[in-house]
Amino acid sequence: EDQVTQSPEALRLQEGESSSLNCSYTVSGLRGLFWYRQDPGKGPEFLFTLYSAGEEKEKERLKATLTKKESFLHITAPKPEDSATYLCAVQASGGSYIPTFGRGTSLIVHP
Amino acid sequence: GAVVSQHPSRVICKSGTSVKIECRSLDFQATTMFWYRQFPKQSLMLMATSNEGSKATYEQGVEKDKFLINHASLTLSTLTVTSAHPEDSSFYICSASGGLDEQYFGPGTRLTVT
Repeated sequence: EDQVTQSPEALRLQEGESSSLNCSYTVSGLRGLFWYRQDPGKGPEFLFTLYSAGEEKEKERLKATLTKKESFLHITAPKPEDSATYLCAVQASGGSYIPTFGRGTSLIVHP
Repeated sequence: GAVVSQHPSRVICKSGTSVKIECRSLDFQATTMFWYRQFPKQSLMLMATSNEGSKATYEQGVEKDKFLINHASLTLSTLTVTSAHPEDSSFYICSASGGLDEQYFGPGTRLTVT
């Protein structure tokens, strides 16, 4: 069974204080790993897809990286508007194409 | 980017009535649509997956007769909550995928059953 574990569950940062969110996964064969951002009362917003170990993608202050066991979402010099819940999901190759989601990391950035 | 709309955004209904929620992919053809339910401060709970023109595949524990899903076209899926009760009150979110990759989510529908 595919499993996704995100840590920490919650993270509080000061504006400008860089940090990383972790997504550890267990899957028979990885087809893709996805990162989403969800604001309260809204649907998740797609951020990145990573397909193979060593791959990196960036968008503004966010950078996602991937290894064979985990993915990191690095947040550089965060701003209060980066406050949200960040969700990670994995999609296995072969069989069901339905992604398995983690429980998310709730990020609060204080001004 | 791909846009998915959901209507209504909020709905309040009386116990025993039915509510229909629409999910549309606005700028791409969605071969697969997903319906999720989300409780406060919890992650997404997949309810069902639907492919255009096919019957929906429901997750274990989700009542097919209570949560009716129709995926009539490549851009529209509907979720009907039949004979709604207060315990059905929740945040319902749809998503759409044009292939085997990332999903694009709608803004969600807040259902309150009184």
